[in-house]
Amino acid sequence: DQQVKQNSPSLSVQEGRISILNCDYTNSMFDYFLWYKKYPAEGPTFLISISSIKDKNEDGRFTVFLNKSAKHLSLHIVPSQPGDSAVYFCAASTNSGYALNFGKGTSLLVTP
Amino acid sequence: ETGVTQTPRHLVMGMTNKKSLKCEQHLGHNAMYWYKQSAKKPLELMFVYSLEERVENNSVPSRFSPECPNSSHLFLHLHTLQPEDSALYLCASSQEYRAGLIIGYTFGSGTRLTVV
Repeated sequence: DQQVKQNSPSLSVQEGRISILNCDYTNSMFDYFLWYKKYPAEGPTFLISISSIKDKNEDGRFTVFLNKSAKHLSLHIVPSQPGDSAVYFCAASTNSGYALNFGKGTSLLVTP
Repeated sequence: ETGVTQTPRHLVMGMTNKKSLKCEQHLGHNAMYWYKQSAKKPLELMFVYSLEERVENNSVPSRFSPECPNSSHLFLHLHTLQPEDSALYLCASSQEYRAGLIIGYTFGSGTRLTVV
């Protein structure tokens, strides 16, 4: 059963605007949430993470928001740049788990 | 060379062949992972190794056989695969597997496997 869901397979945003990527999860025991970015022909690279004790974490143009009551997190990219065009994966883990649980990914296209 | 290196990048094999995927990390990490990415599916965990000991085998068919001879190398031995096993196979590593849950993994570029 899929515990991490990214329901939007793709998103298109104009350069300079805000990109918002969403992720929902079903396991209330998740302790950590991570976002990865993947370019074609490359492996995923770690972008930003957040602990379940926080509701926001910011790193430059990237901010992740966590809403535990809704079991929802989102990644905001502002301003969006063409180089941000990639597939973004949401992942989550529990303290007692063995590995990360990933969503299917959302393909972001930032147009000039 | 730094990071996580996977070879080959592409592999086409018949259903009766035996082949191996190789992963090497130069990061001094103690945990290594195999993930499978099929079209339109999430990344699926296959195997986890911590200090060369397998700590998780996620109900993977026996036609996939992992080997971790040391903390820097991880192999995935393949035999009698099916066409539905065609996918991108990703290797990853982390400082140790608990740390990976918090700060994430370093992934290789993957091996694109096609079974014909």
